[in-house]
Amino acid sequence: AQSVAQPEDQVNVAEGNPLTVKCTYSVSGNPYLFWYVQYPNRGLQFLLKYITGDNLVKGSYGFEAEFNKSQTSFHLKKPSALVSDSALYFCAVRADDMRFGAGTRLTVKP
Amino acid sequence: DSGVTQTPKHLITATGQRVTLRCSPRSGDLSVYWYQQSLDQGLQFLIQYYNGEERAKGNILERFSAQQFPDLHSELNLSSLELGDSALYFCASSPLGTIGYEQYFGPGTRLTVT
Repeated sequence: AQSVAQPEDQVNVAEGNPLTVKCTYSVSGNPYLFWYVQYPNRGLQFLLKYITGDNLVKGSYGFEAEFNKSQTSFHLKKPSALVSDSALYFCAVRADDMRFGAGTRLTVKP
Repeated sequence: DSGVTQTPKHLITATGQRVTLRCSPRSGDLSVYWYQQSLDQGLQFLIQYYNGEERAKGNILERFSAQQFPDLHSELNLSSLELGDSALYFCASSPLGTIGYEQYFGPGTRLTVT
C-alpha cells in the first residue's frame, strides 16, 4: 500500500531564511511525487513533481524539491522564504491512486 | 484561476438528504478527480474518471457516487447525508488519465450537514 507522511504539522521561518518542508513516502514500484500549496479558501495549486530523472526538481515560485530514493523522502525547499509563502503545503504520491499527506502549515514571519 | 469550476460554492442541508456537486474540468482535460477535505481526515481521494469511465477509486463511501458525462463535466452525488459528511469537496482535472500528470483543482464546494 502506498502512503505519504509529513512529519511536521507546522513550520515557522523568518523571511529571507531558507525553508524546508519534509515529506516521506512509501510505495511499491516507482513513485510519482507531487507538492501542492493551498492558500486560505482556495483549492490546491500544483508546485512541482518528480516522475523520473534529476533528483532535484525545480517548480513554481522558486520552490524546489529533492528526491532521495534511499531515504524515501521528497522534501520541499526554498532558499529564501517570503511572507507570501505562508500557506498549507501538501505532499502527494501517486501509484494506484492519489495519496496526500496531512499537510504542513508554513508560516513565514517578517 | 485554475480553469476548473465547481458549483455550488456553499451548500447547507440536513441529515438524510441527498445533494449533487458539479464540476467542469479545464478545457481539454479528460480526467476528473474528486476529493474530500475535512479537519479530521485531511485530504482524501474519492474517485477518478477518465473520458467518461471510472479509472481509480479511493476512499469513497457506498452512499457516494459519481459520473462523468460526454461533455466531460462530472457530478458527485452524496446521499443519506450524515453530520460527518460536512467537508470541503474538491474537483480536479488533468489532461490525461495517466498518473504522472499534475492536477488542477477547483475552488471547492463547502458542504455543511446540519
